[in-house]
Amino acid sequence: ETGVTQTPRHLVMGMTNKKSLKCEQHLGHNAMYWYKQSAKKPLELMFVYNFKEQTENNSVPSRFSPECPNSSHLFLHLHTLQPEDSALYLCASSQVDSGFYNEQFFGPGTRLTVL
Amino acid sequence: QKEVEQNSGPLSVPEGAIASLNCTYSDRVSQSFFWYRQYSGKSPELIMSIYSNGDKEDGRFTAQLNKASQYVSLLIRDSQPSDSATYLCAVHGNNRLAFGKGNQVVVIP
Repeated sequence: ETGVTQTPRHLVMGMTNKKSLKCEQHLGHNAMYWYKQSAKKPLELMFVYNFKEQTENNSVPSRFSPECPNSSHLFLHLHTLQPEDSALYLCASSQVDSGFYNEQFFGPGTRLTVL
Repeated sequence: QKEVEQNSGPLSVPEGAIASLNCTYSDRVSQSFFWYRQYSGKSPELIMSIYSNGDKEDGRFTAQLNKASQYVSLLIRDSQPSDSATYLCAVHGNNRLAFGKGNQVVVIP
């Protein structure tokens, strides 16, 4: 595997389900990100992990819960979602050097549909 | 003022012509600037990064940065139908990467 991988690629879930999105980066980076992309809206940053520590939580509802067990893996745990949470969820990684953020590389995304 | 603005509507260009995209940003201390290409239903793909004033060329793509005027642009020369996509401008400032809403480019054969 190369680059940034995400599973599953597509997910349909009911509002009472619990599911998790997984992201893995094979680039040796030390920072990982979750983004949400809804139709006709800019990319919305959700969470940032730098050296496995969460450095940003962009006012995301608590029904989204991130987990970063190491610098290569990132999860997004989902529970009691709403239909408006349906979107493309993108994971990205980058190398952060002395506070300088280099370019981010994106995974293929998970297309989430909440019924 | 939005952090990163891309105001132009969809851009239609004939095949072989130059497509020009502009982006302005609000944070004067921004250091890193990126252009991503996103095909419909796919994730963003990095095509250019630029860090200092002036032009940077990579194949048919040229990025231009003017920090004094706080804008960054992207030129696509000899546009091809495969260039039809949404182009996202991203600017790093305040310890985060801010994205514009994107510009759709349609190359007409």
